[in-house]
Amino acid sequence: EDQVTQSPEALRLQEGESSSLNCSYTVSGLRGLFWYRQDPGKGPEFLFTLYSAGEEKEKERLKATLTKKESFLHITAPKPEDSATYLCAVQGGSEKLVFGKGTKLTVNP
Amino acid sequence: EAGVAQSPRYKIIEKRQSVAFWCNPISGHATLYWYQQILGQGPKLLIQFQNNGVVDDSQLPKDRFSAERLKGVDSTLKIQPAKLEDSAVYLCASSENRASGGYTFGSGTRLTVV
Repeated sequence: EDQVTQSPEALRLQEGESSSLNCSYTVSGLRGLFWYRQDPGKGPEFLFTLYSAGEEKEKERLKATLTKKESFLHITAPKPEDSATYLCAVQGGSEKLVFGKGTKLTVNP
Repeated sequence: EAGVAQSPRYKIIEKRQSVAFWCNPISGHATLYWYQQILGQGPKLLIQFQNNGVVDDSQLPKDRFSAERLKGVDSTLKIQPAKLEDSAVYLCASSENRASGGYTFGSGTRLTVV
């Protein structure tokens, strides 16, 4: 059974304080690993897809990386508007996305 | 491009009552998903449609939940009768095809069962 574990559950940063979120996974036949952002009262918003170990994707202050067992979402010099819950999901042979519980990020000004 | 539309946004019902949620996906998206998100958890897939056919409903509690996608466009998810543990946000998502993992989600329907 595909599984995703995200850590930490919650992270509080000061504006400008860089950090990383972790996503560990087990999956049969990885087709892709996905990062989503979810704001309160809204549905998840797609950020990145990573397909193979060593791949990296960047968007503004966010950079996602992938190894054979985990993915990291690096946040460089975060701003208060980066506050959200970040969800990681894997897609295996069944083609359905399996989500982790998410990391709630709070960036204080 | 219009997003995924869902209604209602909020619903409060008593246990044992029935409720229905509606979803209109992005035009042209063949695949539609219903997810359940309990507070503090990640979304869990309930059912996946490809056009108007069911691809995966292995985690749908079929004794009380049902879903349909008429003409391969709009979809409805029904719960009858509702239980307290059904309190959650019900998210609809769509994608161009089954292989795509970059889903577009709606804002969801928050259900409270009292």
